[in-house]
Amino acid sequence: SQQGEEDPQALSIQEGENATMNCSYKTSINNLQWYRQNSGRGLVHLILIRSNEREKHSGRLRVTLDTSKKSSSLLITASRAADTASYFCATDALSGSARQLTFGSGTQLTVLP
Amino acid sequence: DGGITQSPKYLFRKEGQNVTLSCEQNLNHDAMYWYRQDPGQGLRLIYYSQIVNDFQKGDIAEGYSVSREKKESFPLTVTSAQKNPTAFYLCATTDSFQPSSNQPQHFGDGTRLSIL
Repeated sequence: SQQGEEDPQALSIQEGENATMNCSYKTSINNLQWYRQNSGRGLVHLILIRSNEREKHSGRLRVTLDTSKKSSSLLITASRAADTASYFCATDALSGSARQLTFGSGTQLTVLP
Repeated sequence: DGGITQSPKYLFRKEGQNVTLSCEQNLNHDAMYWYRQDPGQGLRLIYYSQIVNDFQKGDIAEGYSVSREKKESFPLTVTSAQKNPTAFYLCATTDSFQPSSNQPQHFGDGTRLSIL
């Protein structure tokens, strides 16, 4: 089941601008993760935020998590053409006795030079 | 991810044929996963394995089978029962399957399967 849903589905910005992507989910989570996928490639892990954390930074990336609203956002500052990719949020939660990562449908980011 | 090798990169299946996708890892990770990705969509879990000789069905296991005879290997067979197999298949691993481990998944570069 698709628990995480990203918004917007597509985003086009100029190089140097900031890009913000949002993710909403439905059930309690252990952590939330953001991944990046270049066309035709596998996913690359960007950042993981635990359920007891509210904000996390990694280089030009800033992730926030609001468990009361069941939402997260990914901010990419000073974007570059090389940031063009699809970005997915994934929620890590217990499903029965198993731990599963459930992915949203992604935001396609295009950074124009 | 250099630690996970998926092969082949492209695969074509004829009607009624079973095909097997390879996933090998040298990360010494316990857990391995298979996902299917359709165009413009997120990933859906097919099968996962927490440990050698054990595997569990994910959300869309029908028409697929797996084995986990070695820690390093988790091959996926797409059987003739899978009527719509055209998709991008991704293999992933995590160090531990424990819920509290807070570990990210590491992905291979995928196999694109098409029907002839």
